[in-house]
Amino acid sequence: AQSVTQLDSQVPVFEEAPVELRCNYSSSVSVYLFWYVQYPNQGLQLLLKYLSGSTLVKGINGFEAEFNKSQTSFHLRKPSVHISDTAEYFCAVKASGSSASKIIFGSGTRLSIRP
Amino acid sequence: DTAVSQTPKYLVTQMGNDKSIKCEQNLGHDTMYWYKQDSKKFLKIMFSYNNKELIINETVPNRFSPKSPDKAHLNLHINSLELGDSAVYFCASSQAWRIGGTGNYGYTFGSGTRLTVV
Repeated sequence: AQSVTQLDSQVPVFEEAPVELRCNYSSSVSVYLFWYVQYPNQGLQLLLKYLSGSTLVKGINGFEAEFNKSQTSFHLRKPSVHISDTAEYFCAVKASGSSASKIIFGSGTRLSIRP
Repeated sequence: DTAVSQTPKYLVTQMGNDKSIKCEQNLGHDTMYWYKQDSKKFLKIMFSYNNKELIINETVPNRFSPKSPDKAHLNLHINSLELGDSAVYFCASSQAWRIGGTGNYGYTFGSGTRLTVV
């Protein structure tokens, strides 16, 4: 079975400052990793995903994440945040190679941007 | 627009009632899901259907019954609603997962149905 831990439930950051949202996962098999964003009163939107290949993955809105297999981490970063980045961010994991496995979500990190 | 659409967006109902939430996707995806998001934003999968066949059935009360008339639709019917059923329910879809195959592997989510049981 897989699990995801998002270490920070809330991250307050000043506008134009860099941010890192932490995500660690646990799995006995190879995994695919995802970051989703949920803006207030909206559904989830895929930010980026790691399937294979380069460990540095670039997504939408200037976000990127790095897959670190030895540390079982997939932290999300952005060099300069904007007010519009205020949202809930979810890290997620799925066992690769299985047609029936489900995506497991972390508990979410609320990113709040201060002007 | 291509999307996953859920209806209704908001649903307020009394305890003991029976209600349904509908979901439709026009993305040509084979697999659809229902997730429940509680007041603390925690997302938990409930059901998944692949081409009308139930493939994931998590431990949820049997008052919840999914129905998939075709691969573009996955409806959720809830009997005898309880206060604890209050949550946001998200429908999602994805391309079929095939071992060794290629695909997007991400889910496309609907905008959610906020269910409030009073």
